[in-house]
Amino acid sequence: GQNIDQPTEMTATEGAIVQINCTYQTSGFNGLFWYQQHAGEAPTFLSYNVLDGLEEKGRFSSFLSRSKGYSYLLLKELQMKDSASYLCAAMDSNYQLIWGAGTKLIIKP
Amino acid sequence: ETGVTQTPRHLVMGMTNKKSLKCEQHLGHNAMYWYKQSAKKPLELMFVYNFKEQTENNSVPSRFSPECPNSSHLFLHLHTLQPEDSALYLCASSQDGTTPEKLFFGSGTQLSVL
Repeated sequence: GQNIDQPTEMTATEGAIVQINCTYQTSGFNGLFWYQQHAGEAPTFLSYNVLDGLEEKGRFSSFLSRSKGYSYLLLKELQMKDSASYLCAAMDSNYQLIWGAGTKLIIKP
Repeated sequence: ETGVTQTPRHLVMGMTNKKSLKCEQHLGHNAMYWYKQSAKKPLELMFVYNFKEQTENNSVPSRFSPECPNSSHLFLHLHTLQPEDSALYLCASSQDGTTPEKLFFGSGTQLSVL
């Protein structure tokens, strides 16, 4: 079956770095997405990776290893506003998105 | 503001009520989606519309009835719901719905069924 695994909750300190991992099993692969969702708000797109490697976008970076079925989202210089849920989703060969349950990130001062 | 607006933001209904959720997008997209989000569970895709035609129905119970009158508007009609249908219902849109592309979500309707 198709599956996404990511931690349920993580806690980090303001100003620090945190890495949110995501492992996936899909029938075929057409890329991996990360979305951010603040409580009570719309999920918003953060990144899309389809090739192996690290893509950096400001304080946020996303990494993909297709051979390992693994991705991570790296958040640097954490700010209180980064407290949110982070959703990982892999796209299969039929262009269907397989979603993880999300990782709730708590930032402490 | 993502360009996708959902109303109402909150809805409480009894199991015998009929209500409708509305979604509107101002992005010129051709694909629209309904998702169900329950606490600590993955997003569940319910329906997909591409150029106003329904292209996906993920075995959703008939008490949920979608309607897409044009590419900018999407409705979800609800009737005789069950308490387990209580969840956040998210609408999303994308450019074409056929290739890897990012989704633009609305803020959702938090539905409580009593």
